[in-house]
Amino acid sequence: DAGITQSPRHKVTETGTPVTLRCHQTENHRYMYWYRQDPGHGLRLIHYSYGVKDTDKGEVSDGYSVSRSKTEDFLLTLESATSSQTSVYFCAISEEPGLQGFGPGTRLTVT
Amino acid sequence: GDSVTQMEGPVTLSEEAFLTINCTYTATGYPSLFWYVQYPGEGLQLLLKATKADDKGSNKGFEATYRKETTSFHLEKGSVQVSDSAVYFCGAGSGSRLTFGEGTQLTVNP
Repeated sequence: DAGITQSPRHKVTETGTPVTLRCHQTENHRYMYWYRQDPGHGLRLIHYSYGVKDTDKGEVSDGYSVSRSKTEDFLLTLESATSSQTSVYFCAISEEPGLQGFGPGTRLTVT
Repeated sequence: GDSVTQMEGPVTLSEEAFLTINCTYTATGYPSLFWYVQYPGEGLQLLLKATKADDKGSNKGFEATYRKETTSFHLEKGSVQVSDSAVYFCGAGSGSRLTFGEGTQLTVNP
């Protein structure tokens, strides 16, 4: 997990509230990713970024938005959290295809 | 898009047993293939990779060979240890995106 931090590490929130998760890297890597990990589904890509202000959707992007105003920070926002978004969220970074390094994860519970 | 299918778990083995975790993929073109490992409470760590047909990736006693003819990338280890207990993910990717399998939980008992 060296060079990648996620905050918060744990969060409990209520349905309908906005939530923002932060990923911070010190590696100066170009690509950053947000995944969610759920039993029976493995890791699924939510959004990714290929540069400052350049982002694209992954396979499960509905209900999520992202922003990247600086190379080192990639924010994931749940505009109005739902119980189906209870999950463990991982940030990843890479400078070349496939060699993704992962952060320690954020456990989000929506009640 | 790419898809990855992994052997269902959980897998339970005794120490020093032989390990195989099956992984097959579907993709357009020729993706790079990866195995990642996740220890409890941590993020995924790259275990090994292969970027073209017949390449063999290896690390920490684990091996996997890129088989284009069977679209497979099975993970093997000759003698597992208790410390190998973790969840193993197979991944396939072209360009900057990876697709992961569902993960296989491995437990090794002393």
